[in-house]
Amino acid sequence: GAVVSQHPSRVICKSGTSVKIECRSLDFQATTMFWYRQFPKQSLMLMATSNEGSKATYEQGVEKDKFLINHASLTLSTLTVTSAHPEDSSFYICSARLPWSADTQYFGPGTRLTVL
Amino acid sequence: GENVEQHPSTLSVQEGDSAVIKCTYSDSASNYFPWYKQELGKGPQLIIDIRSNVGEKKDQRIAVTLNKTAKHFSLHITETQPEDSAVYFCAASPSYGGATNKLIFGTGTLLAVQP
Repeated sequence: GAVVSQHPSRVICKSGTSVKIECRSLDFQATTMFWYRQFPKQSLMLMATSNEGSKATYEQGVEKDKFLINHASLTLSTLTVTSAHPEDSSFYICSARLPWSADTQYFGPGTRLTVL
Repeated sequence: GENVEQHPSTLSVQEGDSAVIKCTYSDSASNYFPWYKQELGKGPQLIIDIRSNVGEKKDQRIAVTLNKTAKHFSLHITETQPEDSAVYFCAASPSYGGATNKLIFGTGTLLAVQP
């Protein structure tokens, strides 16, 4: 159990365009999901906490207008990178919190974003 | 806020040997400590976790120990196999009484198991 999927697995886009990444919990309902960013050979950096039915909570230094998060259902959260630039190229990973646990998170397979 | 340090950054062992990765944390409010394995190009996979009311937990070849007084916890992998090669991350979760606790990650350890 506790399977989290992401789509797409990789995406290449032109500078200035927007890209949407989906995160789904497949076998459980997740009221809370998280979005992370990971640069090569580095650790995971939390970008924001996504709560179903309410606004996301962004970490300090993360632009909420650039990284739009929507958590419209108990199994789906989306991250939209708006007006993408080459410096937004990164590995984006989501996780979902088990509904019966305040802290256990299961991660998706990640999305490799390349902005040309 | 919480700060997690992880050592070593790289670890090379011979197949069959044991591997130990250590982490220290700073916030005494942390009470949940998971370990994740990340293979190249994939998302982190939860391999074992421990809570502050337990000192040690085992799952086949993997074990985690926690010393709350010293604020450190360790991952032990016995009888290592080439498929254990990956990056391992420790994390700590401070609990401030909220409904959702964040994970603060260590910097990662690249484990290479030589056949």
